[in-house]
Amino acid sequence: DADVTQTPRNRITKTGKRIMLECSQTKGHDRMYWYRQDPGLGLQLIYYSFDVKDINKGEISDGYSVSRQAQAKFSLSLESAIPNQTALYFCATSIRAGELFFGEGSRLTVL
Amino acid sequence: GEDVEQSLFLSVREGDSSVINCTYTDSSSTYLYWYKQEPGAGLQLLTYIFSNMDMKQDQRLTVLLNKKDKHLSLRIADTQTGDSAIYFCAESGPTGGGNKLTFGTGTQLKVEL
Repeated sequence: DADVTQTPRNRITKTGKRIMLECSQTKGHDRMYWYRQDPGLGLQLIYYSFDVKDINKGEISDGYSVSRQAQAKFSLSLESAIPNQTALYFCATSIRAGELFFGEGSRLTVL
Repeated sequence: GEDVEQSLFLSVREGDSSVINCTYTDSSSTYLYWYKQEPGAGLQLLTYIFSNMDMKQDQRLTVLLNKKDKHLSLRIADTQTGDSAIYFCAESGPTGGGNKLTFGTGTQLKVEL
């Protein structure tokens, strides 16, 4: 089983719909992150959390929210999805700075 | 803010060496990283270098750091088809990545027979 699991792996939705992407980890790491990947743009940080009571905005947090339900769970929500949020989303964890462990990604298409 | 740049594509023949280049702007970066993304997968940490080093070797991988020019490179010796992937350079900033990493755009390496 994967150490960092993302669900769903693929999702197609319509503009205006609420979407939640979930991430769970078995690595026991305190730090969790949500990144967005767009072709030719690399990875952009959306939100990160260093423990259950800690939530921080990244570079591109507008239009997104997160919830850290437990040490092992970190979910990303799009309250009202729009087409330019079509992207590949990655959850990652780390125990120390810089060494990130990534999930396999959630591909979201907003029509 | 920090900026990390890479060329988008590199094509090499199997058995040749590959050199993937990266430039960054934050001179206070503590660590610099190389991540590999295989098709359909997440990123995996390949190697990293501390900013007070100028070279690090790990089997077929050699990382060179030129702090003066803010230039980082990854050399893969004897490139194999399994090395075909996207390679991302990332820099940590002065906190050593305590808050976040800044990733480059990624270089797609294609290995031809």
